[in-house]
Amino acid sequence: GQQLNQSPQSMFIQEGEDVSMNCTSSSIFNTWLWYKQEPGEGPVLLIALYKAGELTSNGRLTAQFGITRKDSFLNISASIPSDVGIYFCAGYNFGNEKLTFGTGTRLTIIP
Amino acid sequence: DGGITQSPKYLFRKEGQNVTLSCEQNLNHDAMYWYRQDPGQGLRLIYYSQIVNDFQKGDIAEGYSVSREKKESFPLTVTSAQKNPTAFYLCASSIDLVRYEQYFGPGTRLTVT
Repeated sequence: GQQLNQSPQSMFIQEGEDVSMNCTSSSIFNTWLWYKQEPGEGPVLLIALYKAGELTSNGRLTAQFGITRKDSFLNISASIPSDVGIYFCAGYNFGNEKLTFGTGTRLTIIP
Repeated sequence: DGGITQSPKYLFRKEGQNVTLSCEQNLNHDAMYWYRQDPGQGLRLIYYSQIVNDFQKGDIAEGYSVSREKKESFPLTVTSAQKNPTAFYLCASSIDLVRYEQYFGPGTRLTVT
């Protein structure tokens, strides 16, 4: 089946630093979604991307749909303590009827 | 407020018992989904439904059953046939199967001993 590889698996950063993470696939996707999950809660949708090359922002978050359609990137600028959590990418391609999720990037902010 | 509710938040059962997890949405979404999440892993699809009285198996349907008698409700039964039922279960919904943005409930943590 399709697989999504997220990297890094975990990040330890200081408050105020910028964060970059990515998601790569062996298959082409038509839609990329980015979610954030806090401990014991359901994932919350952050950004949705629909076109190759698309760059979309949501506050301090910016995500890009890779031109090859096999990857996506998420950046967080000037991190704050509430950014802590696990960030998941998810991809969708026509005809599959379901999202494929990555394994997540765990973000920890060091005081 | 529109959203997805799952109850209960924590559920404990003895091995060999069936247990049903509740999922209700008032978003007027046609499609609903159940996922399983194990520690340190991504989400795996158990079942999904695009319309009332219709549902499809996902990647890990064995040992689970669902029903979709109402648009708002999509309960999941974890049967005694599920070999490793202890997990975090997440319900989600989307407008339909081709509007891919899925919105998640808060989850139910099931512990079977």
